[in-house]
Amino acid sequence: AQSVTQPDIHITVSEGASLELRCNYSYGATPHLFWYVQSPGQGLQLLLKYFSGDTLVQGIKGFEAEFKRSQSSFNLRKPSVHWSDAAEYFCAVGVGSYIPTFGRGTSLIVHP
Amino acid sequence: GAVVSQHPSRVICKSGTSVKIECRSLDFQATTMFWYRQFPKKSLMLMATSNEGSKATYEQGVEKDKFLINHASLTLSTLTVTSAHPEDSSFYICSARTSSGADTQYFGPGTRLTVL
Repeated sequence: AQSVTQPDIHITVSEGASLELRCNYSYGATPHLFWYVQSPGQGLQLLLKYFSGDTLVQGIKGFEAEFKRSQSSFNLRKPSVHWSDAAEYFCAVGVGSYIPTFGRGTSLIVHP
Repeated sequence: GAVVSQHPSRVICKSGTSVKIECRSLDFQATTMFWYRQFPKKSLMLMATSNEGSKATYEQGVEKDKFLINHASLTLSTLTVTSAHPEDSSFYICSARTSSGADTQYFGPGTRLTVL
């Protein structure tokens, strides 16, 4: 069964600084990988996904993520964080029609 | 595209009453819908998977007689919390997967249930 680890519970960055949120997965083959963002009291919004092809994936709101098979990672990045990016971020891994497994989430705090 | 709505967004009820939450896919057909429960500062806990026209599949530890799920059409699934108790208070989120076979889930905005 697949699993996903988000090692950082909280990340604090200053507005305008770059951001990288870590995600590691465990699965034998190439999984389907997702990043979602959740604002307080809201549902989850899909930021980006990787199924195959180019390992650098562009998403909405200026986010990107890179799939690195050798490191079993799918880290989320943004070059310049905005205060509105403060939220909970979830990485998920799925395989075909199986139900994706979600990480525990990383809370992003943005300082002015 | 791929918008999922939930109704109501928040509900407060008395202990012992039943509450129904609706999940709708607004611009696509969803053969599969999922119901999650989210505790404060916690990740999502999958409660059940609902396929249109068939019985829902519940995750281990989830009481199917307490959390009734009906997926009557390709755009609507309902979760009924029967005889709600304060410990059922939580944030309930549904998601829907398109019928194309890809496993991208689109999430509703969630329903905050408070049982007094």
